[in-house]
Amino acid sequence: DADVTQTPRNRITKTGKRIMLECSQTKGHDRMYWYRQDPGLGLRLIYYSFDVKDINKGEISDGYSVSRQAQAKFSLSLESAIPNQTALYFCATGETGGAGNQPQHFGDGTRLSIL
Amino acid sequence: EDQVTQSPEALRLQEGESSSLNCSYTVSGLRGLFWYRQDPGKGPEFLFTLYSAGEEKEKERLKATLTKKESFLHITAPKPEDSATYLCAVQADSNYQLIWGAGTKLIIKP
Repeated sequence: DADVTQTPRNRITKTGKRIMLECSQTKGHDRMYWYRQDPGLGLRLIYYSFDVKDINKGEISDGYSVSRQAQAKFSLSLESAIPNQTALYFCATGETGGAGNQPQHFGDGTRLSIL
Repeated sequence: EDQVTQSPEALRLQEGESSSLNCSYTVSGLRGLFWYRQDPGKGPEFLFTLYSAGEEKEKERLKATLTKKESFLHITAPKPEDSATYLCAVQADSNYQLIWGAGTKLIIKP
């Protein structure tokens, strides 16, 4: 089984719909992240969480919200989807400790299309 | 402004033809530089972390090096299974967020 699992893997929906993407992990990491990936651009951070009670906005949080339901679960919501949110979405986890420069570990992504 | 630039955007090589991928960065203090491999339909897979200029890391046909301005990912005698997009990310001292390059798509032809 994958250490970082994202559901669904693919989703097509319409403008204005509410969408939730889910992420669960078995790595036991405290830190979790949501990114989006667009062609020709680097990964961009949407939200991150260093533990269950800690939620932080990333570079592009507008139009998104998150919930950290447990150490192992971190979900991303689009309250009212718009076409420019069409992208590949990745969840990642990371360990706490050291100098804060531990590598992140990624799920296989959700391909989201908004018509 | 913190920035990461990868070059070239795409690279086509014959099997066995060695080459290098470049990751240039501008950050106010480097906490770490990360290399990842991404296959189509998959998430990025961690390869290496480099922390200071002069450091080198190796794994099979891959070797990553770091200077104060850039990192190179050297690929020696590549095989078709090395075909993937290679991503570079930098973490600055000023915060914990990673700054990502757009990646280099590497294609190795048999």
